[in-house]
Amino acid sequence: GQQLNQSPQSMFIQEGEDVSMNCTSSSIFNTWLWYKQDPGEGPVLLIALYKAGELTSNGRLTAQFGITRKDSFLNISASIPSDVGIYFCAGRTNAGKSTFGDGTTLTVKP
Amino acid sequence: KAGVTQTPRYLIKTRGQQVTLSCSPISGHRSVSWYQQTPGQGLQFLFEYFSETQRNKGNFPGRFSGRQFSNSRSEMNVSTLELGDSALYLCASSGDFKNIQYFGAGTRLSVL
Repeated sequence: GQQLNQSPQSMFIQEGEDVSMNCTSSSIFNTWLWYKQDPGEGPVLLIALYKAGELTSNGRLTAQFGITRKDSFLNISASIPSDVGIYFCAGRTNAGKSTFGDGTTLTVKP
Repeated sequence: KAGVTQTPRYLIKTRGQQVTLSCSPISGHRSVSWYQQTPGQGLQFLFEYFSETQRNKGNFPGRFSGRQFSNSRSEMNVSTLELGDSALYLCASSGDFKNIQYFGAGTRLSVL
């Protein structure tokens, strides 16, 4: 089946630093999604990408849909303590099947 | 618009019991998917319902079942609970033209 490789698995950074994480797959997806999950809560959608090469921002977050349609990255600039959480990528096919990465756990030290 | 609502938020059961979890999707959404989330396993897809029909299914044993009602609300049932069924169960609905999934807060199931 389809699998997503999300890296890094965890990150420990200082407040104010920039963060970068990515997802790669052997399969092509038509939509890439990035979610953030706080402890004990469900994932919340951050950014959705629909076209190869698309670069989209949401405040301090920027994500890109890879040209090959097999990868995506998420950047967070000038991190703050509330950025702490688990970030998931998800690839979605036109048939409506979603595949999730294993998540990147972000810790921000004040 | 109200978000995805899952009830209950927390459940404690013992081995061998059965449990039913409920999910009310965003108004107008007709697709509901269920996921199991455990530490180290990420989000594992259970099944998806669309217009009261199961459209996709993950690799879980038959003890896990679901259904969807005509108002798009969905229930998930787990019979003969095992310790390993302890997890956060997440429901996601979709229905806009972009087919993006929106998640509920989840039901935390603990099996003792």
